[in-house]
Amino acid sequence: QVQLVESGGGLVKPGGSLRLSCAASGFTFTDYYMTWIRQAPGKGLEWVTYISSSGNTNYYAASVEGRFTISRDNARTSVFLHMNSLRLEDAAVYYCARIPRNNWQAYWYFDLWGRGSLVTVSS
Amino acid sequence: QSALTQPPSASGSPGQSVTISCTGTSSDVGGYNYVSWYQQHPNEAPKLLIYEVIKRPSGVPDRFSGSKSGNTASLTVSGLQAEDEADYFCSSYADVNKLIFGGGTKLTVL
Repeated sequence: QVQLVESGGGLVKPGGSLRLSCAASGFTFTDYYMTWIRQAPGKGLEWVTYISSSGNTNYYAASVEGRFTISRDNARTSVFLHMNSLRLEDAAVYYCARIPRNNWQAYWYFDLWGRGSLVTVSS
Repeated sequence: QSALTQPPSASGSPGQSVTISCTGTSSDVGGYNYVSWYQQHPNEAPKLLIYEVIKRPSGVPDRFSGSKSGNTASLTVSGLQAEDEADYFCSSYADVNKLIFGGGTKLTVL
């Protein structure tokens, strides 16, 4: 079954850390860039970060640069989001999604999404 | 990088057509043919509707269509159905090596 399943969300205090995981199955993981997108309660979607299929390249939204780190383990077909120095405004449902690519570039759309993992930041 | 601009709401009666706009700049929507659209029903993950401005994934009804003119992309939903009531988000590749979303449009089927 082609799917992405996020885990690792929960309640964390401001300034704390959390690691989200996303397990991929049913497709060739290395055919895709992977990305994290978040949605604060009642708000719109915000792109957070993406990582290339090899894991050698990654980029971040300005709002999380220097605090969040994306990584992937192609052998375990998983992608991770390490979140440090969490702020109240980081509270959101975090979605993992895949980005198709060819041999030279990504196609820059998200064709499969997970169901999301809720991160709550509160003292 | 500011979010792309979408109207907060749109509406139409069953069978009618409705168009949702997504306005950016020459650094995102206007500069690349990497505009995509997503449908999100309450408490569900978003679903891809349109990619690369005009392309439809298999399984998406041809009632959904996309277009672009200058810095503004549009999603048109023809023959509105009750199940089309949802939130719609546009997205674009943006300078440099970034991705950006619109604020979302809540579509109501009257």
